[in-house]
Amino acid sequence: SQQGEEDPQALSIQEGENATMNCSYKTSINNLQWYRQNSGRGLVHLILIRSNEREKHSGRLRVTLDTSKKSSSLLITASRAADTASYFCATDSTGANSKLTFGKGITLSVRP
Amino acid sequence: GAGVSQSPRYKVAKRGQDVALRCDPISGHVSLFWYQQALGQGPEFLTYFQNEAQLDKSGLPSDRFFAERPEGSVSTLKIQRTQQEDSAVYLCASSLYGELFFGEGSRLTVL
Repeated sequence: SQQGEEDPQALSIQEGENATMNCSYKTSINNLQWYRQNSGRGLVHLILIRSNEREKHSGRLRVTLDTSKKSSSLLITASRAADTASYFCATDSTGANSKLTFGKGITLSVRP
Repeated sequence: GAGVSQSPRYKVAKRGQDVALRCDPISGHVSLFWYQQALGQGPEFLTYFQNEAQLDKSGLPSDRFFAERPEGSVSTLKIQRTQQEDSAVYLCASSLYGELFFGEGSRLTVL
């Protein structure tokens, strides 16, 4: 079963624009992570935010977490064609980093 | 090696055949995970090892699925008597501090 639910399911933007992707989840979490997957490849870890954090930055990425709403957002600023990929949020509810539950993913297309 | 290595990358099996998928994690990573990813879906958890101990196998879909990591390093996922619904990409990941490092996956097609 998949705990995270991302929206939108697909997003198409112009290079240089910002992309915002949202994730909602159902149970309480220890941390939430975002991953990127290029077509036919494995997943690449982007950023981890703990349940006691509200916002985190890494380069062009900004992640927010609202535990009261059980939601997170991933913002990619100044998008590039190379950002075209599927993006997944994943939650760790165990507190032991022993099991991540992934959402269905968002397909981001960045037009050059 | 530098990353998680999986083999074979592609496997075609006839229904009823047994298959074995191998995962070579990043050296020193204690935790190892197997996930199953159907087309257009997110990865679904199958099983988790800490060193050689299989601590969680709640995601294995049936008793035809078996995973092992006998020496706490390389892991093998075995699927017996494959069925068409087993067709998917099988992803292996290893971890040290919570961030998962994924391999490229093994794409299994059952005819």
